[in-house]
Amino acid sequence: GAGVSQSPSNKVTEKGKDVELRCDPISGHTALYWYRQSLGQGLEFLIYFQGNSAPDKSGLPSDRFSAERTGGSVSTLTIQRTQQEDSAVYLCASSLVGQGLRNGYTFGSGTRLTVV
Amino acid sequence: GENVEQHPSTLSVQEGDSAVIKCTYSDSASNYFPWYKQELGKGPQLIIDIRSNVGEKKDQRIAVTLNKTAKHFSLHITETQPEDSAVYFCAAMGSTLGRLYFGRGTQLTVWP
Repeated sequence: GAGVSQSPSNKVTEKGKDVELRCDPISGHTALYWYRQSLGQGLEFLIYFQGNSAPDKSGLPSDRFSAERTGGSVSTLTIQRTQQEDSAVYLCASSLVGQGLRNGYTFGSGTRLTVV
Repeated sequence: GENVEQHPSTLSVQEGDSAVIKCTYSDSASNYFPWYKQELGKGPQLIIDIRSNVGEKKDQRIAVTLNKTAKHFSLHITETQPEDSAVYFCAAMGSTLGRLYFGRGTQLTVWP
């Protein structure tokens, strides 16, 4: 598709359950990013995948959060044993990155996660 | 890593007036500075960007200026319209290839 696609758009889950959020980046984009945005707040960096390099996981808030990117394309963010403080909008973005390339991100519309 | 500060956090203007949002950054190696607009319920969208080899860039009613010596950059919106109401984020890309560091956002409200 032409843009970054995220699914589901909304997810309501019970506290303690695991959830998986999916991101389809723009075809050909080498970099993929996950951010979290709590209500009325800024963009909290979670994780960054670039090509075949080891991902930058420095933003993951706890070991309940993990992400993978299969085949350099689709990414899944998994949250285990969800807590109410995990409720937020999870945004995915992709970008074309390389030596000498500086480009902005294209964001998806996000997944609104509500933990009840 | 890079630290980006953004001011003000909220800004209210009358339709037709100008709006200015300012950001500073800490990493002197930063050389790419995009601005994003986020409307309610949507993901942020790139509206304009500037690279370090220029000091100013303009696209219709929006412009961005960059002062590398002082390490600050600004977004200027002229002739504001109610549809400009949104949250605006500045960002900087520095020595970590591909990684953008975002400001905390400015909620702009344009009153008709």
